[in-house]
Amino acid sequence: QKEVEQNSGPLSVPEGAIASLNCTYSDRGSQSFFWYRQYSGKSPELIMFIYSNGDKEDGRFTAQLNKASQYVSLLIRDSQPSDSATYLCAVLYNQGGKLIFGQGTELSVKP
Amino acid sequence: DARVTQTPRDKVTEMGQEVTMRCQPILGHNTVFWYRQTMMQGLELLAYFRNRAPLDDSGMPKDRFSAEMPDATLATLKIQPSEPRDSAVYFCASGSSYQPQHFGDGTRLSIL
Repeated sequence: QKEVEQNSGPLSVPEGAIASLNCTYSDRGSQSFFWYRQYSGKSPELIMFIYSNGDKEDGRFTAQLNKASQYVSLLIRDSQPSDSATYLCAVLYNQGGKLIFGQGTELSVKP
Repeated sequence: DARVTQTPRDKVTEMGQEVTMRCQPILGHNTVFWYRQTMMQGLELLAYFRNRAPLDDSGMPKDRFSAEMPDATLATLKIQPSEPRDSAVYFCASGSSYQPQHFGDGTRLSIL
């Protein structure tokens, strides 16, 4: 059974701080990793994807991948109240495009 | 921006009724996914299609759920007969070998 694990939270950070969201996966052969943001009552929205070990930056967001440790993280710099949402980690299961999702981490950014 | 379109946005019906949900994938995407999301179970994959052919429907209760793709611009998910435990938000997503999945706005289903 291929699994993706996330802390459910809630993770609470003050405005302007760095929020760090973590995800581990069980399939060592996994190659592609995705972060989705889901606001309450809305659909998941793709915000980052990463395929290679190391860091990938996009604006205030940085995705980090460590395949040896089977660990993916998402850093949000200068957190804003508008970043308050549930963040879903997803791992590509096969070349057919099937994703395995974690349960999501709820992030709350306090003004 | 290209979007996945789902209809209806909301559906309230009585137990035992047939429910049909529709999805128009993003043009050029050849893979379509159906998910169900509840507070208890999170996001569950029900079924998915590639080039209109079903690849995996192991997440779907076979006795009452069916998924089809009559053409490249339309995917359907049917529940017959519906039960209160089917109440959830149903999402359609589309993608391809070169494009990650993008989700539609979902259908919020309530079975009374």
